[in-house]
Amino acid sequence: DVKVTQSSRYLVKRTGEKVFLECVQDMDHENMFWYRQDPGLGLRLIYFSYDVKMKEKGDIPEGYSVSREKKERFSLILESASTNQTSMYLCASTLNVADTGELFFGEGSRLTVL
Amino acid sequence: AQTVTQSQPEMSVQEAETVTLSCTYDTSESDYYLFWYKQPPSRQMILVIRQEAYKQQNATENRFSVNFQKAAKSFSLKISDSQLGDAAMYFCAYKWDSNYQLIWGAGTKLIIKP
Repeated sequence: DVKVTQSSRYLVKRTGEKVFLECVQDMDHENMFWYRQDPGLGLRLIYFSYDVKMKEKGDIPEGYSVSREKKERFSLILESASTNQTSMYLCASTLNVADTGELFFGEGSRLTVL
Repeated sequence: AQTVTQSQPEMSVQEAETVTLSCTYDTSESDYYLFWYKQPPSRQMILVIRQEAYKQQNATENRFSVNFQKAAKSFSLKISDSQLGDAAMYFCAYKWDSNYQLIWGAGTKLIIKP
């Protein structure tokens, strides 16, 4: 089975802190995603990576950056956390998104910024 | 712009009964995929069912089936013989052919009454 592991289930940070959210997948998937999930808004794409060191902005990239130095690992970085970034963050991966579009998700990281 | 609308923020059903979750979408494309994903409480999101737009036959996966009405741009999910384990958030999503982006609905929370 595909496993997507997010490093932290729950984080509490202070405004202005730098936050790292890490995601690792074990199935050699090419494509990885970071989504933000808020009630009533569904999932919104922050960034997408289709290969090592390659990334594309999603719908809401402002205030976020990403890093993909190795194929299995995709990190989301909040350079200076703000209260409006309090949310659930979901990482996902897929072998070939252009094919079927089935995504495999991690359990999510719930971030609270005080 | 492509959009996905789930008009029911919350639904409830008696255990063993049948429930239908609604989803409508807007697109001018002819080749696309539609998905229903399930997110159980505190657990990872998983794919429930997928429909290719070029297929007229409605997809079925055990107790889960869809009613795909392409002309009406409607994609509802029917859950038969509801079980307590079906309690979750259900998200409808759309993907245009080879594009990497999934467009997500806001989600429907399904409550199963014992």
